[in-house]
Amino acid sequence: DTGVSQDPRHKITKRGQNVTFRCDPISEHNRLYWYRQTLGQGPEFLTYFQNEAQLEKSRLLSNRFSAERPKGSFSTLEIQRTEQGDSAMYLCASSSISGGQQETQYFGPGTRLLVL
Amino acid sequence: AQKVTQAQTEISVVEKEDVTLDCVYETRDTTYYLFWYKQPPSGELVFLIRRNSFDEQNEISGRYSWNFQKSTSSFNFTITASQVVDSAVYFCALSEAQTGANNLFFGTGTRLTVIP
Repeated sequence: DTGVSQDPRHKITKRGQNVTFRCDPISEHNRLYWYRQTLGQGPEFLTYFQNEAQLEKSRLLSNRFSAERPKGSFSTLEIQRTEQGDSAMYLCASSSISGGQQETQYFGPGTRLLVL
Repeated sequence: AQKVTQAQTEISVVEKEDVTLDCVYETRDTTYYLFWYKQPPSGELVFLIRRNSFDEQNEISGRYSWNFQKSTSSFNFTITASQVVDSAVYFCALSEAQTGANNLFFGTGTRLTVIP
């Protein structure tokens, strides 16, 4: 079991550019979550998938953000027209859910985004 | 509404001292889960423990112990005989069973520094 992986680990971009992050969850985990963490704060929920279906989005997820999980495996998070306020650590987590029982979310190393 | 409060922003202890990290939560849900995660300087969130609201037994794992008290809505974490490797930011988190997403609500974290 290789754990949750994220790519890239660091991204520097100029304001107005588009960026895309990738997350590979633990294999067989059917749930995948995206969180955002700004300096000095705890992670905040952005969205989650169960298999390939995106079931919930937080109000933090503006229309410049889009996430996909084709085939229910890896996921991508794209930010269009980046703004300086998008600078943060983007964390991905995965878990297994069955029968409504909450399982533990395991996190990846995160992608640190800096928008200049 | 759900809320997690970690009132201690930063704590410094000398190696081998015991230290307790406080966590107070708010929820209207009768079924919920509480978690502690460790975030070392590398940035990855490392899972430490998960408890459900029906299990108030305290737990010990090596030098780590957790005290869950529903009467005071607290889930405190104690490290015994602290070591330099324990230096990290520690997050307490809450997940409510009624929300289909089972997403985590995090506190703002406590930065622990263990001085050699």
